[in-house]
Amino acid sequence: EPEVTQTPSHQVTQMGQEVILRCVPISNHLYFYWYRQILGQKVEFLVSFYNNEISEKSEIFDDQFSVERPDGSNFTLKIRSTKLEDSAMYFCASSETGGASGELFFGEGSRLTVL
Amino acid sequence: KQEVTQIPAALSVPEGENLVLNCSFTDSAIYNLQWFRQDPGKGLTSLLLIQSSQREQTSGRLNASLDKSSGRSTLYIAASQPGDSATYLCAVDNTDKLIFGTGTRLQVFP
Repeated sequence: EPEVTQTPSHQVTQMGQEVILRCVPISNHLYFYWYRQILGQKVEFLVSFYNNEISEKSEIFDDQFSVERPDGSNFTLKIRSTKLEDSAMYFCASSETGGASGELFFGEGSRLTVL
Repeated sequence: KQEVTQIPAALSVPEGENLVLNCSFTDSAIYNLQWFRQDPGKGLTSLLLIQSSQREQTSGRLNASLDKSSGRSTLYIAASQPGDSATYLCAVDNTDKLIFGTGTRLQVFP
């Protein structure tokens, strides 16, 4: 069964460093998303991406964050100058038709620990 | 602003019981509602998707209902098994982004 894959599964970084989280969405999907979950809290929307541009972003997704689809398969989340409060599980998701009518499929997550 | 609440926060039951997990949301103008399962330290597994025009969806021992006008959904799990132990999340889609509840942590013991 097709699945969303994410790497790395766990990354530890020092505060102020840049981090890139990678995702390979399901191959025929056109809509891509990043969500995050701080330990013990709700899963929160970060950003949606369609047709090579951001569709919507949350208040959390400030200038520190960026997303990119560098080739036909990867979808990346870059966090510049990480802060302690960026420690969380980051989930990538994809959808064939978009969330309004389509089901979202999530990856296993990348756990980011900022020291 | 859409708020999603799940009750109960935690549930511990013996194997074989039929269960009802509740989800409520404040803004009824949703596109769809999705139920997920999350195992500890793992990703989100989609269980059921209910479009706003639908009343319920079924998959195996799972049945989810949606009453959009009252802002409620229920997930019914029949004949629960220890393997059902996980956190169950509901999420509503207003504008192509999911708003999640805090989840119901379910433990089914043998």
